[in-house]
Amino acid sequence: NAGVMQNPRHLVRRRGQEARLRCSPMKGHSHVYWYRQLPEEGLKFMVYLQKENIIDESGMPKERFSAEFPKEGPSILRIQQVVRGDSAAYFCASSPGTSGNRNEQFFGPGTRLTVL
Amino acid sequence: AQSVTQLDSHVSVSEGTPVLLRCNYSSSYSPSLFWYVQHPNKGLQLLLKYTSAATLVKGINGFEAEFKKSETSFHLTKPSAHMSDAAEYFCVVSDPGGYNKLIFGAGTRLAVHP
Repeated sequence: NAGVMQNPRHLVRRRGQEARLRCSPMKGHSHVYWYRQLPEEGLKFMVYLQKENIIDESGMPKERFSAEFPKEGPSILRIQQVVRGDSAAYFCASSPGTSGNRNEQFFGPGTRLTVL
Repeated sequence: AQSVTQLDSHVSVSEGTPVLLRCNYSSSYSPSLFWYVQHPNKGLQLLLKYTSAATLVKGINGFEAEFKKSETSFHLTKPSAHMSDAAEYFCVVSDPGGYNKLIFGAGTRLAVHP
């Protein structure tokens, strides 16, 4: 059973370009969380999705950022018109559920975004 | 609201000596608490978790943590540090009222000297 997969592992964009980050959850997991880690900081929650639904996006910046988790395929975190302040590591985590022992989140290796 | 405070941003120990990484939490609920480790430029690995069972939780690589409700603490310990323990450690609380999103502390960087 493969773990959580994220690609690309490293992404370089120039200011104003778009960044697309992909996350494939573990098999059997239908809950996906995205977190952002700025340099020298802890991770901060961005968004929680289930298949085809955004459940909680309270941590997402209001502009330029969007996320989806389609019925088929990976979850996508999309950043439009990137700025230097978007440079960070973006981690995806998945879980089989949200209650009891099913709420453990398994993390992917992260995508390190650098904006030039 | 849930939050965690890691009391030390940096901890330095000698190889073979005990490790203590301190964490205090605040939670409106009976909390689920975790310790994660992150090696440089790597993802996160779960060391251990507390989910209202035994208050002394044993994890991987010889780490353990004790949940103390009266002190709202969840400190991470290891009897004898190894060079490979050098990493960033995060104390984490989940938010059951917020779909179990994880709330991370700022992290403690552990350095291990020979």
